[in-house]
Amino acid sequence: DSGVTQTPKHLITATGQRVTLRCSPRSGDLSVYWYQQSLDQGLQFLIQYYNGEERAKGNILERFSAQQFPDLHSELNLSSLELGDSALYFCASSVDRSGEQYFGPGTRLTVT
Amino acid sequence: EDQVTQSPEALRLQEGESSSLNCSYTVSGLRGLFWYRQDPGKGPEFLFTLYSAGEEKEKERLKATLTKKESFLHITAPKPEDSATYLCAVQAMNGYQKVTFGIGTKLQVIP
Repeated sequence: DSGVTQTPKHLITATGQRVTLRCSPRSGDLSVYWYQQSLDQGLQFLIQYYNGEERAKGNILERFSAQQFPDLHSELNLSSLELGDSALYFCASSVDRSGEQYFGPGTRLTVT
Repeated sequence: EDQVTQSPEALRLQEGESSSLNCSYTVSGLRGLFWYRQDPGKGPEFLFTLYSAGEEKEKERLKATLTKKESFLHITAPKPEDSATYLCAVQAMNGYQKVTFGIGTKLQVIP
């Protein structure tokens, strides 16, 4: 158990809908990262927050947004969902902005 | 742009048959290179961080090494429980803190 929690575990929704994924980092970690993992594409970095501020952006679509709250939990919002958004979404946390990250169990999103 | 290439994509070993996984990278100033293990349907699990060429880290049957262009993950006398996908990732020195992952090597160890 990494200490990072993600909810929900599974999510099935229809195209065009909007969903929110939630992540609680390990106690004491200030950085939160979001990743998307599709079958053939590996882990794709989406966005990083450090102590409430956005610090780095990867290949995140304009339909996706995220935020980190004062209690350091983070939410990833996905809107106008398309079939291609079906994937595993991972949240990771680290003490600072290190690449030594601790991953949550993921949210499996299925868009039908 | 930072790039990570891992080879082979898949590797099948007999129990006890040692081998190495390769991670080639290009990054504008390496801050750190990381190895992770990922079991199917689960989040990656951190294994090692390497910071500079010549550095080595060990954990049980795994040993990671680093040169200026690549890293190797050596697996000595593997057991079936070592079966997993092994991911390599790099982080650059520049102001952006993002980590770039390779696609991974899927290792299967046969009893």
